[in-house]
Amino acid sequence: EVQLLESGGGLVQPGGSLRLSCAASGFTFSSSAMSWVRQAPGKGLEWVSSIRNSGGSTHYADSVKGRFSISRDNSRNTLYLQMDSLRDEDTAIYYCAKVAGNKNGCHWFDTWGQGILVTVSS
Amino acid sequence: DIQMTQSPSSLSASVGDRVTITCRASQSISDFLNWYQQKPGKAPNLLICAASSLQSGVPSRFSGSGAGTDFTLTISGLQPEDFATYFCQQSYSTPLTFGGGTKVEIK
Repeated sequence: EVQLLESGGGLVQPGGSLRLSCAASGFTFSSSAMSWVRQAPGKGLEWVSSIRNSGGSTHYADSVKGRFSISRDNSRNTLYLQMDSLRDEDTAIYYCAKVAGNKNGCHWFDTWGQGILVTVSS
Repeated sequence: DIQMTQSPSSLSASVGDRVTITCRASQSISDFLNWYQQKPGKAPNLLICAASSLQSGVPSRFSGSGAGTDFTLTISGLQPEDFATYFCQQSYSTPLTFGGGTKVEIK
């Protein structure tokens, strides 16, 4: 069974840092691109960042560019999101998601973790 | 950035109803459009990818159509477990963007 399990969330003050982890199992992690998607309380979904299977290519939403860093350790089957200079508006549930796609280039999030809450507040 | 506009933002329907949700992209995205269902307190779940391909395990009452800028998610014969919020998402270009969601409630 494909599973993703996030950890590392919690309460942090504005300007602080936090590192999220996502432990993957049930599939060949090193073959899959991965992403982080977040959802502020009572709001919609916002894509945060994606990383290719090798880790050689990364993409970020403008709202987090320069403050967040996505990485992965394929030997540990783990995805990371380093979050620095956190702001109130970063408060959200953060989901890691496995990326799948077709030969035409369409990609989608076919498996999601249960999510982890990050609260930025003084 | 490609803006995704969903309508309606909410709707009330009865069990057995046919429900249609639309999603419009601010520019052509070919068929790079996906649909997700989210229930309260749970992670989103993929229903349809590439505009019309039903994800494995998803009931056949769900269907998707469209290409270019206009897309539709249809639920033919709404079931009690279908009351949830539905999101569309484009994967044509980064930043990947989602529609604002459509909450399907019980009438």
